[in-house]
Amino acid sequence: EAQVTQNPRYLITVTGKKLTVTCSQNMNHEYMSWYRQDPGLGLRQIYYSMNVEVTDKGDVPEGYKVSRKEKRNFPLILESPSPNQTSLYFCASSPGGTYNEKLFFGSGTQLSVL
Amino acid sequence: DQQVKQNSPSLSVQEGRISILNCDYTNSMFDYFLWYKKYPAEGPTFLISISSIKDKNEDGRFTVFLNKSAKHLSLHIVPSQPGDSAVYFCAALGALISNFGNEKLTFGTGTRLTIIP
Repeated sequence: EAQVTQNPRYLITVTGKKLTVTCSQNMNHEYMSWYRQDPGLGLRQIYYSMNVEVTDKGDVPEGYKVSRKEKRNFPLILESPSPNQTSLYFCASSPGGTYNEKLFFGSGTQLSVL
Repeated sequence: DQQVKQNSPSLSVQEGRISILNCDYTNSMFDYFLWYKKYPAEGPTFLISISSIKDKNEDGRFTVFLNKSAKHLSLHIVPSQPGDSAVYFCAALGALISNFGNEKLTFGTGTRLTIIP
């Protein structure tokens, strides 16, 4: 089954404790992206990757890191989480190319930073 | 600054009636618009899209209308069904904003649609 898999689904952590949210897709997609969803703010892009070893900042990259060492994986790293990073996170992928707007989203990771 | 706005956080519609979800945008460089649908505990899924060269696009019960002069688009669902109850996100992107296509997909805040049986 074609899918984007995020782990974990739920995560509670404390301020400053490094964490990684994994994202994997099995559709051989070139483009991958991370979004966060917050009440009243909709979905905001954190980082995106056009292909392996090619990443760039989205609209809200502060406090986050990403890597794209292989095509299928795009982990989101929070080196020193803070309470304002408490949010619902989504990973997404698409085949790539111009106007390939049909993003496939994972099921989300609910992160709480205490 | 919210470039894509959905001013109605929620909407309730009787089953069988028409649901109309609205979206406004401020950036005149947007030229492609999309609607995504999201159920609880799931990620958003693509629903329908429209290019700025059109003013209407239809797919089954779903129709999207675009009014470029007003910078406004709307999603019509006819007839509404209980399975349509979800959060709907409007999104936009523009060729002149991005180099490659969809890396600058800008989402609205979402509208929660509830269909009343």
